Amino acid sequence: DTVLTQSPALAVSPGERVTISCRASESVSTLMHWYQQKPGQQPTLLIYLASNLESGVPARFSGSGSGTDFTLTIDPVEADDTATYYCQQSWNDPWTFGGGTKLELK
Amino acid sequence: QVQLKESGPGLVQPSQTLSLTCTVSGFSLTSNSVHWVRQPPGKGLEWVGAIWSGGSTDYNSALKSRLSISRDTSKSQVFLKMNSLQTEDTAIYFCTRSGYYSGGGFAYWGQGTLVTVSS
Repeated sequence: DTVLTQSPALAVSPGERVTISCRASESVSTLMHWYQQKPGQQPTLLIYLASNLESGVPARFSGSGSGTDFTLTIDPVEADDTATYYCQQSWNDPWTFGGGTKLELK
Repeated sequence: QVQLKESGPGLVQPSQTLSLTCTVSGFSLTSNSVHWVRQPPGKGLEWVGAIWSGGSTDYNSALKSRLSISRDTSKSQVFLKMNSLQTEDTAIYFCTRSGYYSGGGFAYWGQGTLVTVSS
């Protein structure tokens, strides 16, 4: 199975730029997607196919990467961005999620 | 609009079988895949499995031997059955669907149903 590795946690100050990384154990082409999940809620899609912004998502969010290395960038970070962020691949079967990165604001 | 709603027992005894239903609206199961994703309390997301538009299925490697996903297209329902439940299967179970444009990114989610495995 394709293992997706994310850093467990990050802490940044409002107004800063933050990058959240996701490394795949094998190539997933550009079939990588990013989600935001707040406590008690279902995940919401932020970025699909590595770099496409989901409708309704602020342009502060962007994604990049291909193959095995992917990045979600938030610039600038706002207080409301406190959440856990997950990557997910749909290139290799079975589909898999990363372990999540918990973003905290200082 | 696209909607998915999970339903199920809430509490299941260890070693018993879990049966969940995902009732969908706003789209056809014969044109779209539906996936199950679960999340143990305080932990991350885990892809459980999927039923594709043609009716074939794929499963999480670690759950494959205990898992079955099926559907009733006339009722717009997808079913998850998992046997030999253990406490580690305690989780919120979501059903979800990708958008036509999103290449496997899950654009639509149900609200989830909490399943607790306990005697």
